[in-house]
Amino acid sequence: DTGVSQDPRHKITKRGQNVTFRCDPISEHNRLYWYRQTLGQGPEFLTYFQNEAQLEKSRLLSDRFSAERPKGSFSTLEIQRTEQGDSAMYLCASSPGGRTSSSYEQYFGPGTRLTVT
Amino acid sequence: AQSVTQLGSHVSVSEGALVLLRCNYSSSVPPYLFWYVQYPNQGLQLLLKYTSAATLVKGINGFEAEFKKSETSFHLTKPSAHMSDAAEYFCAASGYSTLTFGKGTMLLVSP
Repeated sequence: DTGVSQDPRHKITKRGQNVTFRCDPISEHNRLYWYRQTLGQGPEFLTYFQNEAQLEKSRLLSDRFSAERPKGSFSTLEIQRTEQGDSAMYLCASSPGGRTSSSYEQYFGPGTRLTVT
Repeated sequence: AQSVTQLGSHVSVSEGALVLLRCNYSSSVPPYLFWYVQYPNQGLQLLLKYTSAATLVKGINGFEAEFKKSETSFHLTKPSAHMSDAAEYFCAASGYSTLTFGKGTMLLVSP
């Protein structure tokens, strides 16, 4: 049973650089979510996909943030022109589709910790 | 909009003592509710969920939670704490497509 995987686990970058994170969901899950978690806070929803369609992106923090899921499998989250305030843990989660209660269960990856210097 | 409040950013218990972590939600309609646990530098692991079936929900590692609509609460309990329970715990409420999380409660377990 392979869970949600994220790569890289840690990323250190200089302010102004672009970074891209990858998430591979559980293989049979067609929903994929991105969250940001800062120190002392719970995860904050950013965006989600149903298969390859991005159904909610209004909560992305700024136009420097973008996400893709081109083939409905893995997803990438890109941050352009990083700022020190972008330093956080970026979490990916996936869930089954459908209308049962199980479709609301989100399974999280280990996260990518971003440090912007 | 939903909101989730966790009372107490830190809770300290002795090994073998009762664990009680508090969560209140704000929603016009009882949502689906979840408790997650996060160990240092790891992602979140699902402990248990409430989906409008039984109000007393049992989860992994001996944890359980009771949904009380009249109190808009979903408190997490465990009869006897173990050292391995030391972690951060998050309560969350689901909307159609998102989870809204509380700020988390760090559980400290002393020998």
